[in-house]
Amino acid sequence: GEDVEQSLFLSVREGDSSVINCTYTDSSSTYLYWYKQEPGAGLQLLTYIFSNMDMKQDQRLTVLLNKKDKHLSLRIADTQTGDSAIYFCAALATTSGTYKYIFGTGTRLKVLA
Amino acid sequence: GAGVSQSPSNKVTEKGKDVELRCDPISGHTALYWYRQSLGQGLEFLIYFQGNSAPDKSGLPSDRFSAERTGGSVSTLTIQRTQQEDSAVYLCASSLNPTEQFFGPGTRLTVL
Repeated sequence: GEDVEQSLFLSVREGDSSVINCTYTDSSSTYLYWYKQEPGAGLQLLTYIFSNMDMKQDQRLTVLLNKKDKHLSLRIADTQTGDSAIYFCAALATTSGTYKYIFGTGTRLKVLA
Repeated sequence: GAGVSQSPSNKVTEKGKDVELRCDPISGHTALYWYRQSLGQGLEFLIYFQGNSAPDKSGLPSDRFSAERTGGSVSTLTIQRTQQEDSAVYLCASSLNPTEQFFGPGTRLTVL
């Protein structure tokens, strides 16, 4: 079945850029997502990218998709302490009209002041 | 309401008891998902409801777990004879189209 993998931890200094990486196995995934989870909260959708795109930029966030390598990354420019959270990558698997989201284990981003 | 709500926010129970967790999705959302997030782990898919179709129960870890969605809206996840390994945060999400899932705040279940 579909599998999504992420590194578990990332630590950066405030003001630096953060890059969180993700790999997935199902080449037919049509949408790929990045979610943010702050302590004690549910997941918040940050951004998503359609599989026919290579890049998507939204303010401080840049998503890069390498479909050939099945690699997705999230770059956060000018990282702030408020960006400290767990970031989940997810891929959409579609089967006969049903939509199932496969999530990675999450990357815990720690921003050092 | 404006978003997905879940109740209770926290539930502490004794091993062997049954628990019911509730999810109120966003009005009009046809799809509803339950996930489990164990400490230090990612999201584990449990069950998926889509409209009037039969639910996808492929993620339920054992027959102690079941879920219903009444009237295409509210959903209840039931765990019978709870075990300590059931302790986790249970997250519900709803969606209208595949581009976005909206998550509730979760129910933190602790089994003593």
